Amino acid sequence: DGGITQSPKYLFRKEGQNVTLSCEQNLNHDAMYWYRQDPGQGLRLIYYSQIVNDFQKGDIAEGYSVSREKKESFPLTVTSAQKNPTAFYLCAIKTGGTEAFFGQGTRLTVV
Amino acid sequence: AQTVTQSQPEMSVQEAETVTLSCTYDTSESDYYLFWYKQPPSRQMILVIRQEAYKQQNATENRFSVNFQKAAKSFSLKISDSQLGDAAMYFCAYNAINNDMRFGAGTRLTVKP
Repeated sequence: DGGITQSPKYLFRKEGQNVTLSCEQNLNHDAMYWYRQDPGQGLRLIYYSQIVNDFQKGDIAEGYSVSREKKESFPLTVTSAQKNPTAFYLCAIKTGGTEAFFGQGTRLTVV
Repeated sequence: AQTVTQSQPEMSVQEAETVTLSCTYDTSESDYYLFWYKQPPSRQMILVIRQEAYKQQNATENRFSVNFQKAAKSFSLKISDSQLGDAAMYFCAYNAINNDMRFGAGTRLTVKP
């Protein structure tokens, strides 16, 4: 919201496939984040990036990859190495080192 | 590593009454921010209130207020005059400058009419 767009809203993945979740922002903020949320649980950090062409692993980076070629974009790829990818994925930007604003999320389901 | 703990998985409140959600955190930093986020059934994360650690005064936003106890590393959220629309998951979050944001496991709030 507020200039953060995640797509698609729903995504289905077959076993063994890689899929990419999109996150775009037009708020001109440097810091972008990917979180995973499982039912009834909090948000766990997958990856974050504080500047173009640089990113760091979060707590649960295994099976995921990211890129940050443009300030506006921070796509997340869920690889076949992620054994339990079904979850709700949230992208966020952080303003001035303080609060985070979130996109509307992508619900990924393995079929 | 910083951790955020919400010890109440579920809470309920009668409409028009007051409820307090608890949060504790662990950090060695002296300068940081604390937040409460609301996640309704739409799953959109909505910022409810923020508190700067260097401020002694507790933050207030309309019916929402916090009790920030820095020494005890406690950050509770009080919702006054609860409304049906307040029903949601509430997440406590911690953020130090130029670091990632950490979230608690959440508290599901039910509002009874």
